[in-house]
Order: sequence, then structure tokens, then C-alpha cells
Amino acid sequence: ETGVTQTPRHLVMGMTNKKSLKCEQHLGHNAMYWYKQSAKKPLELMFVYNFKEQTENNSVPSRFSPECPNSSHLFLHLHTLQPEDSALYLCASSLQGRGGTDTQYFGPGTRLTVL
Amino acid sequence: GDSVTQMEGPVTLSEEAFLTINCTYTATGYPSLFWYVQYPGEGLQLLLKATKADDKGSNKGFEATYRKETTSFHLEKGSVQVSDSAVYFCALITFRGQAGTALIFGKGTTLSVSS
Repeated sequence: ETGVTQTPRHLVMGMTNKKSLKCEQHLGHNAMYWYKQSAKKPLELMFVYNFKEQTENNSVPSRFSPECPNSSHLFLHLHTLQPEDSALYLCASSLQGRGGTDTQYFGPGTRLTVL
Repeated sequence: GDSVTQMEGPVTLSEEAFLTINCTYTATGYPSLFWYVQYPGEGLQLLLKATKADDKGSNKGFEATYRKETTSFHLEKGSVQVSDSAVYFCALITFRGQAGTALIFGKGTTLSVSS
């Protein structure tokens, strides 16, 4: 496998469910990101991890809980979501997370629908 | 704060027409600039980038020049194809101190090309 992969590609869940999104990068990068893409809003940065440490939480509600066990894997744990959380969740990675030329590469996204 | 403004879409063109999608930015310093493309049902793909003033990024017939004096990074293609139909995002990289870097995106411009 190459690049950035995300599973599942589609997820439907009820408001009381608990689920997790998974992201894996095969690029040898050290920084990983979660973004949210809603129909009516620009892409929103949610979380940033550099060398497994969370360096950014962009005022994300606590019902979203990220986890980065190593530089290649990133999870987003979901619980008690609301219908307005339905969106495309995109994972990205970059080499170092610092520096003006650091380029982010994106996965295909998980399309989440909350009923 | 840093921001990106793109022309509103949708842009509808016939095959082989000339394409311009305008992008201007506001930023402290001289950030790297990017164009990403999102095909239906997929994640974001890096299309091209420029890291300093007067740099020209190019890929797949698309070009964009980093214009410091007009703070612009307009995307152009001389002859579009039906397969270019997608959403195009202009973005800049911003520094967040210890948090590292993050991308700031424009709202996206939908391009529809008909044969």
C-alpha cells in the first residue's frame, strides 16, 4: 500500500454509538492531521500530532478523541455524536510538521453519517 | 490571521476552454502556497505548490505563479478536459509556533467541464 489510507471509507452511526476512524501513512512522515469537511464550511483543522505528541486541538468538542500510538497511525474515536457531526473526515500527513515547505498528503477520507 | 480567498463557483466550461481560478491570500511573511484537487468521492490530492515569490508550480497542464506583489496564486490551464471536473482548493501553510504548521484552505471552487 502507498500513501495515506483511511478506514472505513463510509460509516453510519447512531448518536449513542462508539466508533473509531483509522488512518495509516506509509510515507515515513512524522506529523499527522485530522480535518473535517462539511458541506457548507471550508476544511477545518481538528488535531495535529508531531512525533506522536498532540500539538494542536482546534477547539474540537470532547466527543472527538484522537489517538496517535506511533508516527504511522492515527485514530479518531467517536462517541455520542450529533447529526451535525456528519461530514467527510480527512487524515493527512507531512514529513515534519514544521517548516515553510512542509507538504501535507491526504487520505481518501471517511464519510460519516450520524443518525 | 492568515486567510485564503477563492473565486466562487461553480465554474462551467466546455472541453478545451481556458481555465482560470483566482486565489488571493493574506498572511504574515511569505508562506508556501498550494493547490489541491478533490475528485468526486475522494480525498484531496496535491496538484501543485510554490514555496517562494515568483515560483511557478505546474502539474498535469495546470500552472500557478506565486505573486507577492498582488498576494495571489491563480490557477490556470490552457485546455481543460472533462476529467478535470473536480473541486479545487487553494491553501497556504501557516505557522502555529510550538504546534508546528497547518494548512489554511479557501472554500473551494467547483469546476464542471462538458464535452
